[in-house]
Amino acid sequence: QKEVEQNSGPLSVPEGAIASLNCTYSDRGSQSFFWYRQYSGKSPELIMFIYSNGDKEDGRFTAQLNKASQYVSLLIRDSQPSDSATYLCAVLLLSGNTPLVFGKGTRLSVIA
Amino acid sequence: KAGVTQTPRYLIKTRGQQVTLSCSPISGHRSVSWYQQTPGQGLQFLFEYFSETQRNKGNFPGRFSGRQFSNSRSEMNVSTLELGDSALYLCASSRWPGQGNNEQFFGPGTRLTVL
Repeated sequence: QKEVEQNSGPLSVPEGAIASLNCTYSDRGSQSFFWYRQYSGKSPELIMFIYSNGDKEDGRFTAQLNKASQYVSLLIRDSQPSDSATYLCAVLLLSGNTPLVFGKGTRLSVIA
Repeated sequence: KAGVTQTPRYLIKTRGQQVTLSCSPISGHRSVSWYQQTPGQGLQFLFEYFSETQRNKGNFPGRFSGRQFSNSRSEMNVSTLELGDSALYLCASSRWPGQGNNEQFFGPGTRLTVL
């Protein structure tokens, strides 16, 4: 069973702080990792993806990947109330012939 | 560039009826995936199509089916609707299936309510 685990939250952070969202995966054959943001009542929106160990930065967002620990995280710097949403982690296996596997998401609340 | 479009956006049906949902991918994208999203189960994979062929199928009963046309547009059908089929149905498109850097973009979804 290929699983992607996320803490459901809610994760509450004050405005301007760094929000840290975590995701673990069970299959060592995973090759690529995607972070989506989903506002209530809306569809998921791709934030960024990462497939090499280390950090990848895009604006206020940084994805961190540690394949040895089977762990991927998303950091949001200078969190804003508009960042309040559910964040979904998705994993693609190395075989390439399987679909993305999604975690159930972490709800983030940024308090003004 | 236009995004993924889905029609209809909202649908109300009664048990036992059938429903067809449509998805038009981003221009140039040939892979379409369908997901069911419910509060309790999260995003669950239904099926994936590429070049009119089903590449993968999730763990759903045979009442759920889909197809893809030569222009990459896709439809999914649910027959003999049950109350538990009430959900947000999401379509996502990508250029190619299964590639490491292949980004998948979601449409706005179809909200299905079964009474």
